Amino acid sequence: GAVVSQHPSWVICKSGTSVKIECRSLDFQATTMFWYRQFPKQSLMLMATSNEGSKATYEQGVEKDKFLINHASLTLSTLTVTSAHPEDSSFYICSARADTEAFFGQGTRLTVV
Amino acid sequence: GQSLEQPSEVTAVEGAIVQINCTYQTSGFYGLSWYQQHDGGAPTFLSYNALDGLEETGRFSSFLSRSDSYGYLLLQELQMKDSASYFCAVSPYGQNFVFGPGTRLSVLP
Repeated sequence: GAVVSQHPSWVICKSGTSVKIECRSLDFQATTMFWYRQFPKQSLMLMATSNEGSKATYEQGVEKDKFLINHASLTLSTLTVTSAHPEDSSFYICSARADTEAFFGQGTRLTVV
Repeated sequence: GQSLEQPSEVTAVEGAIVQINCTYQTSGFYGLSWYQQHDGGAPTFLSYNALDGLEETGRFSSFLSRSDSYGYLLLQELQMKDSASYFCAVSPYGQNFVFGPGTRLSVLP
């Protein structure tokens, strides 16, 4: 199956700093990638849809100035959490669609201290 | 919009059969998918139903009834490693997936 690689797998940062998370499709081109957030024991909640070469589409309630998304190529999308706060601590997962399946990155566990 | 419902928890013993139900409300979608997620890991694809009926993949089977807005995942010959969360998901006529709340399956020895 298709492979999506996400990096880093975990990161600890100080409150007020920014963190960048990368999502790469390794063996296919993804014009669209999706960023999800998952809190403990909860489901995956779509944050935004990343579109190659254009602006991301954010879900209601997600601050676009706080969660910056860049999709500069057909194989790379990045999510930058700016001015991170402890409430941003969560599991962030990217995915890309290939046919009828969603392929997920390994996820990034962000802890803001 | 889309919404999906699943039981929050299911417990069964090794070797048993368990069924995880998923009901949904959506204006239209391509198919119903199931994903497995172990604690700390990313979701992995299990099965997909585009048409009504039963799809079988090894120990796992999935069923869809569009007329009843209902589907289920059937796990047979349960093993300890099957302890995980299971999510149903629909893909509306677009590209993103909408996930159900998840069912936490605990397999006991």
